[in-house]
Amino acid sequence: GNSVTQMEGPVTLSEEAFLTINCTYTATGYPSLFWYVQYPGEGLQLLLKATKADDKGSNKGFEATYRKETTSFHLEKGSVQVSDSAVYFCALRSNSGGSNYKLTFGKGTLLTVNP
Amino acid sequence: DSGVTQTPKHLITATGQRVTLRCSPRSGDLSVYWYQQSLDQGLQFLIQYYNGEERAKGNILERFSAQQFPDLHSELNLSSLELGDSALYFCASSPPTGAGQYFGPGTRLTVT
Repeated sequence: GNSVTQMEGPVTLSEEAFLTINCTYTATGYPSLFWYVQYPGEGLQLLLKATKADDKGSNKGFEATYRKETTSFHLEKGSVQVSDSAVYFCALRSNSGGSNYKLTFGKGTLLTVNP
Repeated sequence: DSGVTQTPKHLITATGQRVTLRCSPRSGDLSVYWYQQSLDQGLQFLIQYYNGEERAKGNILERFSAQQFPDLHSELNLSSLELGDSALYFCASSPPTGAGQYFGPGTRLTVT
């Protein structure tokens, strides 16, 4: 079955530091890949996505590149801010199930950015 | 604001009781998904409806059921509640192309 593995948190950084959160996946076929962010007390927000190999998703300074050869979709940001403190989820969606587009999530990585 | 609404925001009930959670998808989205988020299990897919029909089932208990109505809103029914059912329940919707899922703010269920 499909699975997503994220680096264990928590991750604590100082403001303006470089961020990497590793994500690898196992899936049949050619899944679509997503990063979601959950701020304290809120629901999940779609941060970025990539639907095919070598695609780069980007949003709000965050980037992730779909690497089929390493089955990875690592999240990066060059300079984090205190407001980026949240839980980040990597997810995949199988594209081989007709209109069944359920997401399989990683366990989430808690990021804390200190001033 | 994702455009997906969920009610109620919080729900506190006792073991053995039954509750109903409600979700309204974004305008134009035909698919509704239900997920459970708990500390030990993480985010787990429960069930998907597409234009009124059940399309996929995940880790949903037999005590739980859902439906999607003609106006596309969905309800998740949880019965014979146990302490372990305490969790955040999220609804998400997606357009027909399935390009991405948009999540509601969630319902926090506490079973005492």
